[in-house]
Amino acid sequence: AQKITQTQPGMFVQEKEAVTLDCTYDTSDPSYGLFWYKQPSSGEMIFLIYQGSYDQQNATEGRYSLNFQKARKSANLVISASQLGDSAMYFCAMREPRDDKIIFGKGTRLHILP
Amino acid sequence: EAGVVQSPRYKIIEKKQPVAFWCNPISGHNTLYWYLQNLGQGPELLIRYENEEAVDDSQLPKDRFSAERLKGVDSTLKIQPAELGDSAVYLCASSLGTRRTDTQYFGPGTRLTVL
Repeated sequence: AQKITQTQPGMFVQEKEAVTLDCTYDTSDPSYGLFWYKQPSSGEMIFLIYQGSYDQQNATEGRYSLNFQKARKSANLVISASQLGDSAMYFCAMREPRDDKIIFGKGTRLHILP
Repeated sequence: EAGVVQSPRYKIIEKKQPVAFWCNPISGHNTLYWYLQNLGQGPELLIRYENEEAVDDSQLPKDRFSAERLKGVDSTLKIQPAELGDSAVYLCASSLGTRRTDTQYFGPGTRLTVL
């Protein structure tokens, strides 16, 4: 069974609109970390934001915020006021301490339209 | 602060040839990872190092892949002989440690094409 599920293979969003990228995860470990990465066409994986399973508040980092719903095992990335440069692949990932592996989802390709 | 450095960025070889990729992690990062990323997929872990020790190589195809991190700093990943199916992007990442809060930072990757 997949541990990280990203159900949106592709999205098209108008520039300046907010966008939500979905991510659900599966773990029985109470302690885990959730990450979002951006991968532009250049290929580099760029770290965006981190959410710990014990964090009480949703993580925010500039225009990025993480809508963390622990009971639903959901960690959606919200990008406010999207820009053309936000066009890229976005990966949700989870780290489980017992494995110390970071498991990645299959990604969502985001296209920002002018 | 310099990020994770990888070379080469691109490599084209014929099948059955050997190939090697090099990675220099962020200074002070003890943990180093090699990932394989196929087109349209997320990265998959090949091997993880804690300093110079390979602590997780369960996903490394050991018949043709090898890796080393001799002094606990930079690392080399080798394929010998390469097969057509090895065409992919090979990503190196590093982190301070292995706590759940330790973020992995990635290099630009090496795009391998096997003809």
